Amino acid sequence: AQSVTQLDSQVPVFEEAPVELRCNYSSSVSVYLFWYVQYPNQGLQLLLKYLSGSTLVKGINGFEAEFNKSQTSFHLRKPSVHISDTAEYFCAVREMIQGAQKLVFGQGTRLTINP
Amino acid sequence: NAGVTQTPKFQVLKTGQSMTLQCAQDMNHEYMSWYRQDPGMGLRLIHYSVGAGITDQGEVPNGYNVSRSTTEDFPLRLLSAAPSQTSVYFCASSRQGNSPLHFGNGTRLTVT
Repeated sequence: AQSVTQLDSQVPVFEEAPVELRCNYSSSVSVYLFWYVQYPNQGLQLLLKYLSGSTLVKGINGFEAEFNKSQTSFHLRKPSVHISDTAEYFCAVREMIQGAQKLVFGQGTRLTINP
Repeated sequence: NAGVTQTPKFQVLKTGQSMTLQCAQDMNHEYMSWYRQDPGMGLRLIHYSVGAGITDQGEVPNGYNVSRSTTEDFPLRLLSAAPSQTSVYFCASSRQGNSPLHFGNGTRLTVT
């Protein structure tokens, strides 16, 4: 079974600073990877996904992630964060079970932006 | 543009009570699933369904039942609630294949 590790449970940064949220996955076969964002008291929204092709994936709200197969990583980055980016971020890898997709999630990283 | 709708938003149960968490989607998605979210553990899959009449267990199915009589609805039943089932529950749906999951806004359940 696949697993996902998010290396930081909390990341505090100042507004307009860059941020990187780290994610490593376990699978050695071809993978589909996702980042989701959860704002307070809401469900999860898709930020970006990697299915194939270019290893640099751009998502919504200025976020991007880089797929690195040799390091089995899919780190999320933003060059300049805003207060509104305060949220919890989840990395996930897709696993197929009898034709059905199952997402295996990391533990989440809480991003706090300080003014 | 409803998407995935979960009801209720909040629920408090006593140990041993039963209840059903409702989930409905209006996107004609074949795939539906239930996750629970606990602090420090991310989201874990409880049950999923690849179409009407077909359900299967996920990672943490014990204590929960599901059914899928229509494409739109995928209720989650707790037959005898336990404090360990205190959690936030999310329903999600998608088309088959590589489509991303669409999540509801969650149901926060407390079992005392």
